[in-house]
Amino acid sequence: KNEVEQSPQNLTAQEGEFITINCSYSVGISALHWLQQHPGGGIVSLFMLSSGKKKHGRLIATINIQEKHSSLHITASHPRDSAVYICALRAYSGGGADGLTFGKGTHLIIQP
Amino acid sequence: KAGVTQTPRYLIKTRGQQVTLSCSPISGHRSVSWYQQTPGQGLQFLFEYFSETQRNKGNFPGRFSGRQFSNSRSEMNVSTLELGDSALYLCASSLLGLGAGELFFGEGSRLTVL
Repeated sequence: KNEVEQSPQNLTAQEGEFITINCSYSVGISALHWLQQHPGGGIVSLFMLSSGKKKHGRLIATINIQEKHSSLHITASHPRDSAVYICALRAYSGGGADGLTFGKGTHLIIQP
Repeated sequence: KAGVTQTPRYLIKTRGQQVTLSCSPISGHRSVSWYQQTPGQGLQFLFEYFSETQRNKGNFPGRFSGRQFSNSRSEMNVSTLELGDSALYLCASSLLGLGAGELFFGEGSRLTVL
């Protein structure tokens, strides 16, 4: 079983819709990242969370450590938001904190 | 300020050869981490270097190695290339390291192994 589960895998929505992407995990973590990847490969870090909620423009990220769940929300979605959104977490193991473990990504398409 | 620079951007090798990829982090960043991205496996963590020391290593064979220099530039090396090593290799720099701060990614080096 993958340590990081993202849903949905694919999402097509109309411009202006409120978008929610979910990330569930099964291990203890020290931090969780939300990343955005556009066609062509470039990756941009959107948020790094260890607790609570963060907001940047139209993007909001939340994390619930007890429930091992994080969500990324996009308000007033726009076609330029079309991208792959990836959840990545830094887990704790017996030897301390590990490297990053990635979800498989959510392919988001926003239609005009 | 300049972003993360990866070189070369594209390269083609044949099985059995070796390859060295370079990553120059943002000035002042001491952490460089490396990742492999393939259509089948997605993104996978290779290793992280911080102030010239390897702090974490992913689940990759010993053919994958890396190092970091005193100016924080990092290289990764893959020896005895296999077809399955064809991938986009990304590096990211961070001021304080994984889990402690924002990551800044390079554009990647796309390796094709024939």
